[in-house]
Amino acid sequence: EPEVTQTPSHQVTQMGQEVILRCVPISNHLYFYWYRQILGQKVEFLVSFYNNEISEKSEIFDDQFSVERPDGSNFTLKIRSTKLEDSAMYFCASSESQGPYEQYFGPGTRLTVT
Amino acid sequence: SQQGEEDPQALSIQEGENATMNCSYKTSINNLQWYRQNSGRGLVHLILIRSNEREKHSGRLRVTLDTSKKSSSLLITASRAADTASYFCATDAIRTGRRALTFGSGTRLQVQP
Repeated sequence: EPEVTQTPSHQVTQMGQEVILRCVPISNHLYFYWYRQILGQKVEFLVSFYNNEISEKSEIFDDQFSVERPDGSNFTLKIRSTKLEDSAMYFCASSESQGPYEQYFGPGTRLTVT
Repeated sequence: SQQGEEDPQALSIQEGENATMNCSYKTSINNLQWYRQNSGRGLVHLILIRSNEREKHSGRLRVTLDTSKKSSSLLITASRAADTASYFCATDAIRTGRRALTFGSGTRLQVQP
């Protein structure tokens, strides 16, 4: 069964450094998403991406964040100048453009900022 | 309560028993999805119910949706130890262009063998 994959599974970085989290969405899906879950808290939406542009973003997704589809299979989330409060599990998800609208999630990347 | 709040927060049952988790939300939705998350792991999609549906089944799962009460329930029948996980509801408002899912705080289910 097709699945969303994410790399790395765990990333440790120092405050102020840039990180790139990578995702390979399900191949026939056209909508891509990033969510994050701070330890012990709810899963929060960051951004959605369709047709090579951002279609929605939350207030969390500020200038520190960017997304890119560098090629036909990868979808990346870049966090510039990481802060301690960016430590969280980051999930990538994908869905079809037309119904059904199920969003399928990857296993997540645990980002630890020290 | 916030959009997508589940209750109870925690539920402990014996293997073989049924588990019922509830979710309430505040704004109009198009779809409601239920997800499972094992500790520290990814979100596994369980089932999607559309706003014009009242009930849906998938294997041992039964989901109901009451849009007049803005609530949904997830029933897991004949629970197994492997069902131990956190369960979340998530809503979208696709017809207004909002695909972003709003998640609840989740119900932690413990199934004792």
